[in-house]
Amino acid sequence: NAGVTQTPKFQVLKTGQSMTLQCAQDMNHNSMYWYRQDPGMGLRLIYYSASEGTTDKGEVPNGYNVSRLNKREFSLRLESAAPSQTSVYFCASSEVLVQPQHFGDGTRLSIL
Amino acid sequence: QKEVEQDPGPLSVPEGAIVSLNCTYSNSAFQYFMWYRQYSRKGPELLMYTYSSGNKEDGRFTAQVDKSSKYISLFIRDSQPSDSATYLCAMSGNTDKLIFGTGTRLQVFP
Repeated sequence: NAGVTQTPKFQVLKTGQSMTLQCAQDMNHNSMYWYRQDPGMGLRLIYYSASEGTTDKGEVPNGYNVSRLNKREFSLRLESAAPSQTSVYFCASSEVLVQPQHFGDGTRLSIL
Repeated sequence: QKEVEQDPGPLSVPEGAIVSLNCTYSNSAFQYFMWYRQYSRKGPELLMYTYSSGNKEDGRFTAQVDKSSKYISLFIRDSQPSDSATYLCAMSGNTDKLIFGTGTRLQVFP
């Protein structure tokens, strides 16, 4: 039982390049989330999808876009990467918004 | 002021000690309370989940919620080096998504 799977696990980009981070869950959850985690800042919500067909901005959405492709998959896109977007990105899912979230193991992204 | 406050630590204790980790919050609508454990280079994993006030025990772990003081705690008995990790609290009301604390780093030394 895989839970939440994120790809890739590591990536190095140059400033200005674009990239899509992929996330898939196999728990039939309705809600999915993208966070970034930086030292001393905790988890910061970028975007979330309460249910299939909906997406909403979180705390730090600038520079990102998301797509809820279907109930299982939720992708995060950086259109023009900037060094400030160097971070660890976590995808999570939950049955509904108020329920506990289950996390993937993260994508470590470095932008030079 | 953040909705959820958590001391970042680090907290360093000897093996076998009782550890107390805490969070305070400001939103009286919060009803669901969780504790996550995050090992280095891994995603957070759910450790404890409680609804409303009271205590919940699971092995060496006890979660406590005091809604009157807007204060939650996680106690770890007989701490082990394998408990060394960052512990995040999280909470939500009846209709909205979780709000996370920034995490407390715990180190248990042999």
